[in-house]
Amino acid sequence: QQQVKQSPQSLIVQKGGIPIINCAYENTAFDYFPWYQQFPGKGPALLIAIRPDVSEKKEGRFTISFNKSAKQFSLHIMDSQPGDSATYFCAAKKPAGKLIFGQGTTLQVKP
Amino acid sequence: GAGVSQSPSNKVTEKGKDVELRCDPISGHTALYWYRQSLGQGLEFLIYFQGNSAPDKSGLPSDRFSAERTGGSVSTLTIQRTQQEDSAVYLCASSSGLAGGTGELFFGEGSRLTVL
Repeated sequence: QQQVKQSPQSLIVQKGGIPIINCAYENTAFDYFPWYQQFPGKGPALLIAIRPDVSEKKEGRFTISFNKSAKQFSLHIMDSQPGDSATYFCAAKKPAGKLIFGQGTTLQVKP
Repeated sequence: GAGVSQSPSNKVTEKGKDVELRCDPISGHTALYWYRQSLGQGLEFLIYFQGNSAPDKSGLPSDRFSAERTGGSVSTLTIQRTQQEDSAVYLCASSSGLAGGTGELFFGEGSRLTVL
């Protein structure tokens, strides 16, 4: 069963645009919601993470917005750059450590 | 080593053959994960080892798949009687396993399996 649903599957924006990737989860027993970034031929790497008792977290150009009541969270990339072109995965972590990933979003930032 | 190491990086095999994929986690990391990534697809959870606890095998797609972790370090994922639908990139990750933390996973670069 898919416990974390991610959309859109792909996204194309112009340089400087603000791509937004959305995720929804189905189980309340998660204690961390991270986002991972993956470049072709590489493994995913942690980008930013948020706890469920926080509504927003910002690190540089990356912001997570979290809506606990709606069981939704999203990633915003401010002033996007071509180097941000990658696949982005949202995830939800269970207290025991297991990490469930969304289906991924392939982002292309055009120069 | 500095990061998670996986081998082989590429494996081409014939349908019906068995394959073994190896993962060397970051030294000291108690948690180890295997995920599968098919072309253009997300990260499918396969199995999770945490310390000396019984592994969470709930993601293994069939009994042809098995994994072990020896001495709390190196792990081997074995696929018996491979099928064409097993073709994918198999990713291994490790984490410190500390409770209450972000659970940050450090991934290897994966083993790309092609079943002809």
